[in-house]
Amino acid sequence: DTGVSQDPRHKITKRGQNVTFRCDPISEHNRLYWYRQTLGQGPEFLTYFQNEAQLEKSRLLSDRFSAERPKGSFSTLEIQRTEQGDSAMYLCASSLAFGLAGEDEQYFGPGTRLTVT
Amino acid sequence: LAKTTQPISMDSYEGQEVNITCSHNNIATNDYITWYQQFPSQGPRFIIQGYKTKVTNEVASLFIPADRKSSTLSLPRVSLSDTAVYYCLVGDHAGGTSYGKLTFGQGTILTVHP
Repeated sequence: DTGVSQDPRHKITKRGQNVTFRCDPISEHNRLYWYRQTLGQGPEFLTYFQNEAQLEKSRLLSDRFSAERPKGSFSTLEIQRTEQGDSAMYLCASSLAFGLAGEDEQYFGPGTRLTVT
Repeated sequence: LAKTTQPISMDSYEGQEVNITCSHNNIATNDYITWYQQFPSQGPRFIIQGYKTKVTNEVASLFIPADRKSSTLSLPRVSLSDTAVYYCLVGDHAGGTSYGKLTFGQGTILTVHP
């Protein structure tokens, strides 16, 4: 399977704990995105990487959130001191884009569902 | 980014053609129109993208009038497995400050009945 994979698929944690999620994009995809989705809503953009550089962060990404893509391949999203409001589905997507031209079809992973108790 | 408006829900029956219309009155010159499909507990899946007129692929057609202020996703002969949420997105996927990030609305919940 050459799709986007995410690990774990489900995570239950207690408030105040730290959690880390991993995303493995489609190989050779240079762009990687993180989104968050709560029940009944569409996904919300969190952050974006072009290769290993984090180029944009949403205001939704508080200082408790940090994301990395150290070698331009897989990415991790860490949430420190989790709060109940962090409970959501965290989605990763990747795409292959060239400069300013053309479409940017994003391929999404299955997501990591986080429940903070 | 241009705001989109689409119906919250639609119902259809197997074998029928379904048309979901999306309004985007303040679409910009550089904006593309893209539709994604999402099943429960899965990430969204790209369906189709267009800039103007009509685009067709193996699963859907996208109709865009000349003024580009709306678009219609057409699903021919739907089946039960087409029950999902459909999102209309408008944005500058060609680069610029958006870097291709997607802005999703609430989407349209399509329910296909037997």
